[in-house]
Amino acid sequence: GAVVSQHPSWVICKSGTSVKIECRSLDFQATTMFWYRQFPKQSLMLMATSNEGSKATYEQGVEKDKFLINHASLTLSTLTVTSAHPEDSSFYICSGPLAGGPSEQYFGPGTRLTVT
Amino acid sequence: AQRVTQPEKLLSVFKGAPVELKCNYSYSGSPELFWYVQYSRQRLQLLLRHISRESIKGFTADLNKGETSFHLKKPFAQEEDSAMYYCALGGSNYKLTFGKGTLLTVNP
Repeated sequence: GAVVSQHPSWVICKSGTSVKIECRSLDFQATTMFWYRQFPKQSLMLMATSNEGSKATYEQGVEKDKFLINHASLTLSTLTVTSAHPEDSSFYICSGPLAGGPSEQYFGPGTRLTVT
Repeated sequence: AQRVTQPEKLLSVFKGAPVELKCNYSYSGSPELFWYVQYSRQRLQLLLRHISRESIKGFTADLNKGETSFHLKKPFAQEEDSAMYYCALGGSNYKLTFGKGTLLTVNP
């Protein structure tokens, strides 16, 4: 199967600072990538769809100015949490489908963000 | 609107017992359904897709359009099956809608 990596795997930042999370498709090109948030022992909540070369599409209730998404190439999407607060602490996961394939997606290992 | 319901948050069985993880969906079009599994400290990975009608690790799932269900079954559970299982519904533009997940524990 296709491989998706995320960096960093774990980050701690102070309240008010920004943190960038990278999502890379290692062996396939992803024109679309998805960003999810997962709370402890809960399901994945889709935050936004990252589109290569164009603006991201955000789900209802997700602040686009707080969660900045950039998809500058076919293998890299980044999520920047701006002015982070403790309530932003969560597990952030990205995924990418194979272009032209069915809806199955390949998931990154996730990034644990802790805001102190 | 798309919706996926997994009614059981927790499911505990003994090794060798049959297991069924329930999934019901709501979708106006022709559904595309998946089961994803997340083992402890590992990433989410695809287990089954309904269009393949395959058996992976002894698990099968049949799409029942009349009952709008896609239950996951295994006749004899193993301890290594202990994990979080998510049912997911594919939508437009590759989007997936996930159920809340069922934590399966297989006891020795």
